[in-house]
Amino acid sequence: EPEVTQTPSHQVTQMGQEVILRCVPISNHLYFYWYRQILGQKVEFLVSFYNNEISEKSEIFDDQFSVERPDGSNFTLKIRSTKLEDSAMYFCATAVGLGLSSYEQYFGPGTRLTVT
Amino acid sequence: DQQVKQNSPSLSVQEGRISILNCDYTNSMFDYFLWYKKYPAEGPTFLISISSIKDKNEDGRFTVFLNKSAKHLSLHIVPSQPGDSAVYFCAAGPGRSGGSNYKLTFGKGTLLTVNP
Repeated sequence: EPEVTQTPSHQVTQMGQEVILRCVPISNHLYFYWYRQILGQKVEFLVSFYNNEISEKSEIFDDQFSVERPDGSNFTLKIRSTKLEDSAMYFCATAVGLGLSSYEQYFGPGTRLTVT
Repeated sequence: DQQVKQNSPSLSVQEGRISILNCDYTNSMFDYFLWYKKYPAEGPTFLISISSIKDKNEDGRFTVFLNKSAKHLSLHIVPSQPGDSAVYFCAAGPGRSGGSNYKLTFGKGTLLTVNP
């Protein structure tokens, strides 16, 4: 069964450093998302990406965050200058993009980001 | 901002019995509702969904009920099995008229434990 993969599984970085989280979506999916879950809190939407551009972003997704799909396969989330409060589990999700089934998003296993 | 609420952080049931997980929402723009299951160290896994034009959707042992007037949905698992032990997230998305790009708003989750 096709699945969303994410690398690395765990990233430790120092405050102020840049990190890039990578995701390989399911091959025929057209909608891509990043969500995050701070420990003990709910899963929160960060950004959606369709047709090579951001289609929606949350208040969390400020100028320190960016996404791109550089080679048509990987979908990346970059945090330019990490803060302690960016420590969380980051999930990539993808959806096929056919009407309401686009809500049925397939999640990757997540990248645990720890900012020290 | 708790647009999707799961008021029970945990639920414990005996194997073979029914598990009922509840979810309330406040945003009347929500048009599509989903349940996700999450095991430790994994991403959320899509379980079952329901559109606001329906009041029930069934898939094997899993049934989701939607009471739109009460802004309430529930997930019934019958019969419950020990392998169902996981965190269950309720999620909701606005319809296209809500300017959505299919982003999901999650509840905090309910930890279901099914005892043998």
